[in-house]
Amino acid sequence: AAGVIQSPRHLIKEKRETATLKCYPIPRHDTVYWYQQGPGQDPQFLISFYEKMQSDKGSIPDRFSAQQFSDYHSELNMSSLELGDSALYFCASSHDSLNSPLHFGNGTRLTVT
Amino acid sequence: AQKITQTQPGMFVQEKEAVTLDCTYDTSDPSYGLFWYKQPSSGEMIFLIYQGSYDQQNATEGRYSLNFQKARKSANLVISASQLGDSAMYFCAMREAYTDSGGSNYKLTFGKGTLLTVNP
Repeated sequence: AAGVIQSPRHLIKEKRETATLKCYPIPRHDTVYWYQQGPGQDPQFLISFYEKMQSDKGSIPDRFSAQQFSDYHSELNMSSLELGDSALYFCASSHDSLNSPLHFGNGTRLTVT
Repeated sequence: AQKITQTQPGMFVQEKEAVTLDCTYDTSDPSYGLFWYKQPSSGEMIFLIYQGSYDQQNATEGRYSLNFQKARKSANLVISASQLGDSAMYFCAMREAYTDSGGSNYKLTFGKGTLLTVNP
């Protein structure tokens, strides 16, 4: 079965640079989520999209933005990177219902030096 | 207040034995979903099992079962016949419905996790 595809798997950036993370959700899933997981932490919700429209916003810094495109893939754009942005970034997709599990991609490990 | 509480930062179990990972949750909503995820050291987040708030029976999925006690607001994960490959971080998570100007939302909120180590 198709899974959530994220790219790149690993990314190394310097402070103040920008980064773009990509996500291709499972076909026919109508909702996409982005999560940030710091070392030894639980995943923190950043932002979500329902049918290509932003549906909810969590603890996402103003330096970050995201969008979902007509083909349903999503991108998380991060600017003015800081050392504290180093984390594992997950994209997940699901159907928009309480009983539908979120299926996660393998994540993008971002290291800011 | 914490929505999901996992009180065991770490647990140890002998191979082939059963282990219970604790999870309590906090919500005033009658409709919600409870999920368990496994995160091995390689980092991926793997969905294990789901329990709905209106489900009458405890969920089971292979060696995984969920001990759901609604009145106590607990949803403990039981892993039977532990294997070395079960060593991982386990997260309990809850999905609730809430409505704002953007419509209905169902984001997933995680607990802090329990690191399970299976000893040979």
